[in-house]
Amino acid sequence: ETGVTQTPRHLVMGMTNKKSLKCEQHLGHNAMYWYKQSAKKPLELMFVYNFKEQTENNSVPSRFSPECPNSSHLFLHLHTLQPEDSALYLCASSQSWGGQGNQPQHFGDGTRLSIL
Amino acid sequence: GEDVEQSLFLSVREGDSSVINCTYTDSSSTYLYWYKQEPGAGLQLLTYIFSNMDMKQDQRLTVLLNKKDKHLSLRIADTQTGDSAIYFCAESIRGATNKLIFGTGTLLAVQP
Repeated sequence: ETGVTQTPRHLVMGMTNKKSLKCEQHLGHNAMYWYKQSAKKPLELMFVYNFKEQTENNSVPSRFSPECPNSSHLFLHLHTLQPEDSALYLCASSQSWGGQGNQPQHFGDGTRLSIL
Repeated sequence: GEDVEQSLFLSVREGDSSVINCTYTDSSSTYLYWYKQEPGAGLQLLTYIFSNMDMKQDQRLTVLLNKKDKHLSLRIADTQTGDSAIYFCAESIRGATNKLIFGTGTLLAVQP
């Protein structure tokens, strides 16, 4: 139990579908992150939210749309995805940074996404 | 540029020590992390070291940092079969966002 819960664990969708990934953290953190993990590639940071405000968008295509309604919840809305978007999508959370320096990130178990 | 490199694979016998190595390029790194990923799971934070430290020990884990050579290592004493997993090194970059740069991971296989 990492304190970061992701649902669903597995998702299969067609290229024309719309679906959402959900992440919830119970660690009292104020920052949340989306990462993409593909085979044989380093973990790729997608989005960062700090106190519900997006602070980083790492040139992610617009077919991925994040939403952070509060510091405990993070969503990734998906529409018209491509086969190359098949990957493990990981959510993480941390304390906010800044004056306290960088903060360790704690990860969920991920959503395995397959695009048909 | 920002780059983190690790060897792809390490095989050890149960009871031996394992040493996983990592090199990084950004000299402004503040913290360096080791994460463990078991099959079907996310990344578990194992330990981390601040860039002004040389060594950190936590039970069976010892982290060594050579800042001059930008080299980080993770030593696992008395390696067990449950230690079989992929181990990721990551550096945090000083700046406005709590950004981590990950290596591609080292697969540790522990033979009984």
